[in-house]
Amino acid sequence: AQSVTQLGSHVSVSEGALVLLRCNYSSSVPPYLFWYVQYPNQGLQLLLKYTTGATLVKGINGFEAEFKKSETSFHLTKPSAHMSDAAEYFCAVSANDYKLSFGAGTTVTVRA
Amino acid sequence: DAGVTQSPTHLIKTRGQHVTLRCSPISGHKSVSWYQQVLGQGPQFIFQYYEKEERGRGNFPDRFSARQFPNYSSELNVNALLLGDSALYLCASSRRTGTFGANVLTFGAGSRLTVL
Repeated sequence: AQSVTQLGSHVSVSEGALVLLRCNYSSSVPPYLFWYVQYPNQGLQLLLKYTTGATLVKGINGFEAEFKKSETSFHLTKPSAHMSDAAEYFCAVSANDYKLSFGAGTTVTVRA
Repeated sequence: DAGVTQSPTHLIKTRGQHVTLRCSPISGHKSVSWYQQVLGQGPQFIFQYYEKEERGRGNFPDRFSARQFPNYSSELNVNALLLGDSALYLCASSRRTGTFGANVLTFGAGSRLTVL
């Protein structure tokens, strides 16, 4: 079975500061890893994904994540936060099957 | 192109009633998945359908059922509603390429169900 743990249910950053959202996964097989963002009253939008190959993955809106197998981590970063980054972020894992297992989410607020 | 569309967007039911939620996938996507998102939690997998066949089911009671139609649209049905069924129900579609696990899901905006 696969699962993810997102460390920190809420993160507050200043505009222009680094955004770091932590995700650790558990998987019995090589995982596929995803980060999704959810804005209020909307569905989830894919930020980036890791399947195979390069462990540093670049996504939309300046976000990137690094797959570290030895640490079972897939942390999400953005060098400089923007007000529009305020949202809820979900890390998710899947194996060679049909379902995504999501973390509980991290809410990001950006201070002006 | 239209994204994943879901209806209704909001609905209120009372305990014991039945509800049907509908989803239209992106054109060309043959896989539809349903997720339940309770307030303050991450989405939980309910069902996946591919080519009109159930390919996976999450840990939900038999009160939850779904089907996929020849045009690949889908319905999620919930019988004998409980207060705990109050949630945002998300539908996602994907175009299967390679293994299911690597496919990117495109989510709709969801149907928010309130059970009183």
